[in-house]
Amino acid sequence: DADVTQTPRNRITKTGKRIMLECSQTKGHDRMYWYRQDPGLGLRLIYYSFDVKDINKGEISDGYSVSRQAQAKFSLSLESAIPNQTALYFCATSDPGQGYYEQYFGPGTRLTVT
Amino acid sequence: AQSVTQPDIHITVSEGASLELRCNYSYGATPYLFWYVQSPGQGLQLLLKYFSGDTLVQGIKGFEAEFKRSQSSFNLRKPSVHWSDAAEYFCAVSGTYKYIFGTGTRLKVLA
Repeated sequence: DADVTQTPRNRITKTGKRIMLECSQTKGHDRMYWYRQDPGLGLRLIYYSFDVKDINKGEISDGYSVSRQAQAKFSLSLESAIPNQTALYFCATSDPGQGYYEQYFGPGTRLTVT
Repeated sequence: AQSVTQPDIHITVSEGASLELRCNYSYGATPYLFWYVQSPGQGLQLLLKYFSGDTLVQGIKGFEAEFKRSQSSFNLRKPSVHWSDAAEYFCAVSGTYKYIFGTGTRLKVLA
């Protein structure tokens, strides 16, 4: 089984709808991240969480919110989806105890907002 | 400012030819460096990583990368490209809490 899972894997939604993307991990890592990928822009950080009570904005957090329900679960919400939020979304985890901050990525969620 | 630059947006090579993908970084401290590959419609797969020690790093699928501190570079190489290597490649540098990704290089392989 995959260490980092994301649901759904694909989603098509309409403008104005609320949508939640979920991420679960079995790696036991405290740190979790949400990124979005757009063609030609690489991956950009939306939000990150160092533990259940420590949530921080990344470089492109506007229009998004997150919830860290448990160490293993980190959800990303779009309160009112808009077409320019169409992208590939990745969840990731890391363990600072490793000393080198390697991140482990989920398979991605492809979101289309029409 | 911390940044990663992949100067080549697209690269086309013939199958069997050698490959070098460029990555330059700007980072104030000792960098932790990574290369990922993303096949069409797929997620990110780690090819290799550099933390310390030997500056020539071996990865999966026959890839290697060389860390050159004086040039702030971490270029990815493969001596003989296979058609299955067609994908997008991302270089990343790790800070204390996040990755900084380059914008990617898309590799096309000609038969």
